[in-house]
Amino acid sequence: GQNIDQPTEMTATEGAIVQINCTYQTSGFNGLFWYQQHAGEAPTFLSYNVLDGLEEKGRFSSFLSRSKGYSYLLLKELQMKDSASYLCATYPTTDSWGKLQFGAGTQVVVTP
Amino acid sequence: GAVVSQHPSRVICKSGTSVKIECRSLDFQATTMFWYRQFPKQSLMLMATSNEGSKATYEQGVEKDKFLINHASLTLSTLTVTSAHPEDSSFYICSAPAGGGGEGYYGYTFGSGTRLTVV
Repeated sequence: GQNIDQPTEMTATEGAIVQINCTYQTSGFNGLFWYQQHAGEAPTFLSYNVLDGLEEKGRFSSFLSRSKGYSYLLLKELQMKDSASYLCATYPTTDSWGKLQFGAGTQVVVTP
Repeated sequence: GAVVSQHPSRVICKSGTSVKIECRSLDFQATTMFWYRQFPKQSLMLMATSNEGSKATYEQGVEKDKFLINHASLTLSTLTVTSAHPEDSSFYICSAPAGGGGEGYYGYTFGSGTRLTVV
């Protein structure tokens, strides 16, 4: 089966940095996605990690350690519009090709 | 980039009626479409996977007779909630691998979601 854990909520001030951790225990693994979801809207793609290491994309970076079953999403220079839920999702192996398994999401609240 | 158009965005229906939700891939062919349900402050739960021209695959615990999925063409998948009850009230989202098939290495394109309220 799949078990994905991430914190429920994090609060940070505008301009600060926040790191959202995600740990997973899966029967198969072929990569991890991070998505941003504003309330009542569809998730939007942020990053995809399949190899160990850090992927940087503007203010957002994502890290993966396959041996530790661990990933984090780093949000720098926080802006008010970054207030949203952040979902990590694992991409299983080919026996269930294409099915993402989502964590419950971390609600990030950015305060002035 | 790839776009999935989902309609309606909001619907209110009476108990016992049926509601159809449509997802169309606008600029690519979606051989696979995933259907999710999301309750407030909870994660997306996969309900079923539809494949063009074949029967949908339902996740454990999802009633296939209640949630009818049809994927009649490469650009259209529909979810019909039959005999809706208040507990079916939820946010329903469709998603297709950005490449249209099952590979999805570069992310999935999501529809904008449908907020269903059953009264």
